[in-house]
Amino acid sequence: DTEVTQTPKHLVMGMTNKKSLKCEQHMGHRAMYWYKQKAKKPPELMFVYSYEKLSINESVPSRFSPECPNSSLLNLHLHALQPEDSALYLCASGTSGRTTTNEQFFGPGTRLTVL
Amino acid sequence: DAKTTQPPSMDCAEGRAANLPCNHSTISGNEYVYWYRQIHSQGPQYIIHGLKNNETNEMASLIITEDRKSSTLILPHATLRDTAVYYCIVSGGGFKTIFGAGTRLFVKA
Repeated sequence: DTEVTQTPKHLVMGMTNKKSLKCEQHMGHRAMYWYKQKAKKPPELMFVYSYEKLSINESVPSRFSPECPNSSLLNLHLHALQPEDSALYLCASGTSGRTTTNEQFFGPGTRLTVL
Repeated sequence: DAKTTQPPSMDCAEGRAANLPCNHSTISGNEYVYWYRQIHSQGPQYIIHGLKNNETNEMASLIITEDRKSSTLILPHATLRDTAVYYCIVSGGGFKTIFGAGTRLFVKA
């Protein structure tokens, strides 16, 4: 299985809502990533988990809370978001940590709109 | 990780080879060159990576110059479905991956 799945595909939420984005991979990768992508811009790294431990937090506001329940699952909990947080949120899993290289495999993304 | 420079856009005729250049003049000895592409509204797709030697897979070929300061991704027979943004990334194998602006490739019929 070489697929990374993300749910939901689309999400609309108000600024007071709490929601979660979910990501799953079954490639045996031990590194998992969250990226944020605004329109016509490249993806920006938010968080990296390695062996289910948070390895990198790129100074992301605390209204974004990542969680890695096990080696196959990655969540991003959202609370009190702002309209400027509207973006495509991409999950990836990668070979780093198991090998010396870092090929990453991306899911299709969740398109988030904050009203 | 070393910075990369790519042209903002390129055109290619369908059926012809698409050659996408990337400059990475500050690359260090343990850093790999990775290529990804992103078709509109989809997640990025891993294409290929290399260290020193040229590499080929079912999607593309990667040619790295002997001094490793630049590389070229070659799509041998471009199709309309290859229209996408192509990202060249240099990374030392750690977790961090920094995407630049990439090259927007338009394949025309």
